[in-house]
Amino acid sequence: DTGVSQDPRHKITKRGQNVTFRCDPISEHNRLYWYRQTLGQGPEFLTYFQNEAQLEKSRLLSDRFSAERPKGSFSTLEIQRTEQGDSAMYLCASSFREGEAFFGQGTRLTVV
Amino acid sequence: TQLLEQSPQFLSIQEGENLTVYCNSSSVFSSLQWYRQEPGEGPVLLVTVVTGGEVKKLKRLTFQFGDARKDSSLHITAAQPGDTGLYLCAGGGSNAGNMLTFGGGTRLMVKP
Repeated sequence: DTGVSQDPRHKITKRGQNVTFRCDPISEHNRLYWYRQTLGQGPEFLTYFQNEAQLEKSRLLSDRFSAERPKGSFSTLEIQRTEQGDSAMYLCASSFREGEAFFGQGTRLTVV
Repeated sequence: TQLLEQSPQFLSIQEGENLTVYCNSSSVFSSLQWYRQEPGEGPVLLVTVVTGGEVKKLKRLTFQFGDARKDSSLHITAAQPGDTGLYLCAGGGSNAGNMLTFGGGTRLMVKP
């Protein structure tokens, strides 16, 4: 296993369009996290899955954001009706035990 | 809300110098991670500390977890240009979702 994989690496979209990002975690990891990072800041937690159950989603930034992990393996993060303020790096991480997370390379979103 | 503050925010030094980066909080964490991030990439895990007072060494990097598990430091000896990057501390706890709380990062530049 080569680690957490995210696709695409870069996405440019027009304001108002929907976008979906994919994350493939490390195969034996049952926990999966989504974070957002804006320039000059540390990552900000968005949501968390343990297997297929989404156990924490109150930190999703608005109801335009949603995430799924249908079979407890890969996950998707969707942003509907994108706004310029959504431009950021979206990071996925997975872990096997509490606190220690391994990150993917991220998806850089630019909303124009 | 658990918050982590890192200092300094920016550090520019010459090759061969020593440096220390600090990570402080008023909250207790069950574990603390240090990550290094390069531009356009995801954070890479350097170390996890879990016991108050614990010291871990990774080549020229020395990590310490405070006795009360509220703070941590990263010391780099004889810095090299390859150490350049954004250093992030992240605290894990028994919070909702077992998420990591990140500090704002210390941006280090080591000049040859």
